[in-house]
Amino acid sequence: ELKVEQNPLFLSMQEEKNYTIYCNYSTTSDRLYWYRQDPGKSLESLFVLLSNGAVKQEGRLMASLDTKARLSTLHITAAVHDLSATYFCAVEGGSYNFNKFYFGSGTKLNVKP
Amino acid sequence: DSGVTQTPKHLITATGQRVTLRCSPRSGDLSVYWYQQSLDQGLQFLIQYYNGEERAKGNILERFSAQQFPDLHSELNLSSLELGDSALYFCASSGRRGGWDNEQFFGPGTRLTVL
Repeated sequence: ELKVEQNPLFLSMQEEKNYTIYCNYSTTSDRLYWYRQDPGKSLESLFVLLSNGAVKQEGRLMASLDTKARLSTLHITAAVHDLSATYFCAVEGGSYNFNKFYFGSGTKLNVKP
Repeated sequence: DSGVTQTPKHLITATGQRVTLRCSPRSGDLSVYWYQQSLDQGLQFLIQYYNGEERAKGNILERFSAQQFPDLHSELNLSSLELGDSALYFCASSGRRGGWDNEQFFGPGTRLTVL
């Protein structure tokens, strides 16, 4: 079974600092997704990465995918308090459209003023 | 608002009982996924339906079952409930015709409490 590991699990950072969340997975896949979850809320889709070398950016967040290393990163630039949330990566395994999804444990980000 | 709706929002029941959770996907989406989120297990994929057919099964217990109806809404049935089934249950949808990826859009969830 595909395993997904995120680290760190908890991240407390100051505003205006940069940091990276890592998502490693155990078997071949070239489809990876990042989600955000606010406390008591549902998950919100952030990025869809569908090929090796894919890079997507939205505001202060940038996600990338290296399928050979089985690694995705979510980079936070100049963090602000509004980014405080839990971030999940999810890896899709199997044939197109009929896949199981494997989620990481989540990284709880707290941005302190 | 993702466009995915789930009912009820909260459900409190007793051990041994049976409940049904309902999900309506985004307009045009053909796939529905069910997840269980708990503090100790994290976010666990339960089952996926695509256009009425079961397509992928995850860590779904035998006491749980699901179906997707012709109008594409889905129901998750949980029976012989145990205390450990208390969790947040999410439904997600994806897969509009012609779409390439399986980006999922999550509903607001149903919080199940088993007493």
